[in-house]
Amino acid sequence: LAKTTQPISMDSYEGQEVNITCSHNNIATNDYITWYQQFPSQGPRFIIQGYKTKVTNEVASLFIPADRKSSTLSLPRVSLSDTAVYYCLVGGRLYTNAGKSTFGDGTTLTVKP
Amino acid sequence: KAGVTQTPRYLIKTRGQQVTLSCSPISGHRSVSWYQQTPGQGLQFLFEYFSETQRNKGNFPGRFSGRQFSNSRSEMNVSTLELGDSALYLCASTGTSYNEQFFGPGTRLTVL
Repeated sequence: LAKTTQPISMDSYEGQEVNITCSHNNIATNDYITWYQQFPSQGPRFIIQGYKTKVTNEVASLFIPADRKSSTLSLPRVSLSDTAVYYCLVGGRLYTNAGKSTFGDGTTLTVKP
Repeated sequence: KAGVTQTPRYLIKTRGQQVTLSCSPISGHRSVSWYQQTPGQGLQFLFEYFSETQRNKGNFPGRFSGRQFSNSRSEMNVSTLELGDSALYLCASTGTSYNEQFFGPGTRLTVL
């Protein structure tokens, strides 16, 4: 199983762009990289997923270098409501080893006014 | 489409008792995974069920068990509860695309 490493915490201010990097040196060929957001006492919420290069959706971008040993979640113009724990998850697709996906320890992002 | 539902939301038990938690996945999803989340250990994978069969299992003792019914609803059971079992238990369902898991709100179990 690919182990992930993220910074424990990060601080930012409203309106800034935030980049959170996740290291996953042992990522397997079939593994995808997924990021989740979790607020206190709630289940994690899917943000974005990618396999290589760059993926962008309405809330975030995900940058994955060619060697795929790391990935960076980019949150543009954060607001106070983006204060949460962000998890990087590396794992396989459904029907293969989806249940063996490994959550890292998460990064606590605090957005200040 | 309704999201993942978990019942009960909160539960208080005493040591030695057993508990059953329930999870209803998103309609059409056949995979259900269970996680335990504690402040000290983070999110830990318990097991995954697909089409009524346990497909993957994490590193938890046999006191933790689960099952899945033909309608994809799943239950997990913890027998002989210990103080350390106090945690938020999360259920996630997965559809057919990639590894996007949809999590429920969780069941907060407190063991006294």
